[in-house]
Amino acid sequence: GQQLNQSPQSMFIQEGEDVSMNCTSSSIFNTWLWYKQDPGEGPVLLIALYKAGELTSNGRLTAQFGITRKDSFLNISASIPSDVGIYFCAGQSGNTPLVFGKGTRLSVIA
Amino acid sequence: GAGVSQTPSNKVTEKGKYVELRCDPISGHTALYWYRQSLGQGPEFLIYFQGTGAADDSGLPNDRFFAVRPEGSVSTLKIQRTERGDSAVYLCASSLSGVYGYTFGSGTRLTVV
Repeated sequence: GQQLNQSPQSMFIQEGEDVSMNCTSSSIFNTWLWYKQDPGEGPVLLIALYKAGELTSNGRLTAQFGITRKDSFLNISASIPSDVGIYFCAGQSGNTPLVFGKGTRLSVIA
Repeated sequence: GAGVSQTPSNKVTEKGKYVELRCDPISGHTALYWYRQSLGQGPEFLIYFQGTGAADDSGLPNDRFFAVRPEGSVSTLKIQRTERGDSAVYLCASSLSGVYGYTFGSGTRLTVV
C-alpha cells in the first residue's frame, strides 16, 4: 500500500535540544496528522492540520501543513526523556482512510 | 468504553490455523478501521467500516482475511489458514466521523509459528 516518505528514520538527541522531522507525499492531502507511538501501544494523536499553510502548536510541539499540500513537518522544542518514541505522519484525502509514513524513531539522551 | 479495546493483546498460533481478533470501539463512533503494522513500519490500512457495512476493504491482502461488524459496534477480524507472513501487530481505530483523526487501540500482536 501507499506510504508517505518520512525523515529522518531515526535520531539521537541530547535532552533540551530541538527536534525537526518531516513528511512528503506524491499525492495531495486535505488533512495531515502527527501521531506518537510508545512500545506496546497504539499511535496517539498529537496534532491535526486541516488547511494548507496552517501552523498549529500543542505545548512544545509545532506542526505545519505545507502550502503544496504534499508535505508537513513536526518540531519538538526543548526535548525531554518522555519524548522518546516513534513519530508517524499520516495524510488523508476527504474521507479516505489515513495513509501513514514509516515513522521517525526518536531517542533522547539525558 | 473510554478507549478502543482490542483482545487478545497477544496471540500465538500455528501456521494453517484460523484466528479471530476483536475490536471494541469507543461508544458512538460510527467509523472503525483495521490496520496492520509490521516491525519497523507504519500502520498499513486493511479495511474500514461505516456503521455495519465495509465502506472500503481495498487493503485486505487476500481472501484469507475477512472482517465483520454486525451491529455497528464491535468488529472481528478473521484470518483463515494463517501464514508466517501474517505475523504483525493488528491495530484497530475508531472515529466519530472518519475525518477528525482516529483513536487507536493498543493492538493485537499476532505471531504465526
